[in-house]
Parts: sequence; structure tokens; C-alpha cells
Amino acid sequence: EPEVTQTPSHQVTQMGQEVILRCVPISNHLYFYWYRQILGQKVEFLVSFYNNEISEKSEIFDDQFSVERPDGSNFTLKIRSTKLEDSAMYFCASTRENNSPLHFGNGTRLTVT
Amino acid sequence: RKEVEQDPGPFNVPEGATVAFNCTYSNSASQSFFWYRQDCRKEPKLLMSVYSSGNEDGRFTAQLNRASQYISLLIRDSKLSDSATYLCVVNRDSGNTPLVFGKGTRLSVIA
Repeated sequence: EPEVTQTPSHQVTQMGQEVILRCVPISNHLYFYWYRQILGQKVEFLVSFYNNEISEKSEIFDDQFSVERPDGSNFTLKIRSTKLEDSAMYFCASTRENNSPLHFGNGTRLTVT
Repeated sequence: RKEVEQDPGPFNVPEGATVAFNCTYSNSASQSFFWYRQDCRKEPKLLMSVYSSGNEDGRFTAQLNRASQYISLLIRDSKLSDSATYLCVVNRDSGNTPLVFGKGTRLSVIA
């Protein structure tokens, strides 16, 4: 069964540094998402992406965040200057059709020190 | 009111028990409903979609009450492997809107 893959599985970075989280969505999917989950809290929507542009973003997704689909397969989330409170599990998800169930990757655990 | 609210957990049940989870959502325009399960420190995985007429998948039954904005999940004959956090997921509004998650209800099935 096709999978969403994310790399790295764990990233440790210092406050103020830039990080790029990488995702390869399922190949015939058209809608891509980033969610995050702070330890012990709920899964929170960050951003959705369709047709090479952001379709919606949450208030968490401020100017420090950006997404890109640099080629036909990768989907990246960049955090420009990380803060301690950015420490969380970041999940990439994709789906073929709008409002269909999301397929999640294994996640990247980001630790900001 | 929170977008998606779930029973607070944890639920500790013996093997073979029947357990029910409830969820309410705030926006009557929401159209897509799902139950996901999440194991500790893992990604959410789709358990089942929830349809207006209710639906069943083996030991799992999901119900939707649009008038009350209420979704339920029933697990019959609980197995040890059912131990996980169950997440109620709803799209935020009608049309092309992102899915939003409840905080989840933790289930522990004990031998």
C-alpha cells in the first residue's frame, strides 16, 4: 500500500535556527497538508496546499513558516527561526480528493533547544 | 465552544467489553466525519469514515446525528490491540475546508 514518507524522523535544532521538514506524499494525491501535535495535545492543522499554492492556513502558520513543492514529489515545511514552542511532532498528510480521509506520514519529531 | 469535543479519558475496560466513545462538533455545516486511532507517539491512522446512515466495520460501529451534531463509535468485543487513543475528526466547515481533530479519548483494554 502506498505511503506518505517523512524525513527526518527526529530533528534536534537550536532556537533561532532554520529547519526544513520533508515529505513525499502518495504519488497520485493532489491535496497536501501539514499538521502538528505538541506532546499531550491534540493534532492541529497548520496548512493545506493544492495546485501549487496554499489553499488555507491556520493562525499558527505565521510568517516563520513556509511550504514548498519544489518538484513533482517532495512537499516541504520550513520554519525560518525556530522557537522553543515549535517543539512538536509534525505530520504531513495527503489525499486524492477534497474532504476525503487523510493519509498521514510517520511524522518528524522536532526538538528545539 | 471547541470545534470538536470528545469524552475525556482514559477508558479502562476488560477484554471482551463493549465501549462507546462520543464526540460533538460545533459547526452544523460540517460534512465529513471520521474516526482515527493513534498509538503512542505514532501518526493518526484512519479507522473508519462516518456516514449519515451509520456504518459498521467488523466490531466497530459509527453513528452520526446531524441534528445533535454528535458522532459515536462503538467497539464490541474489545481486544488488547484496541488500546489506543481514538480521535474524532470533522471538516471545519462545508466545502473545501481542513479536517480538525478532537483531543482524543484514550482506551486501555486490560487482560
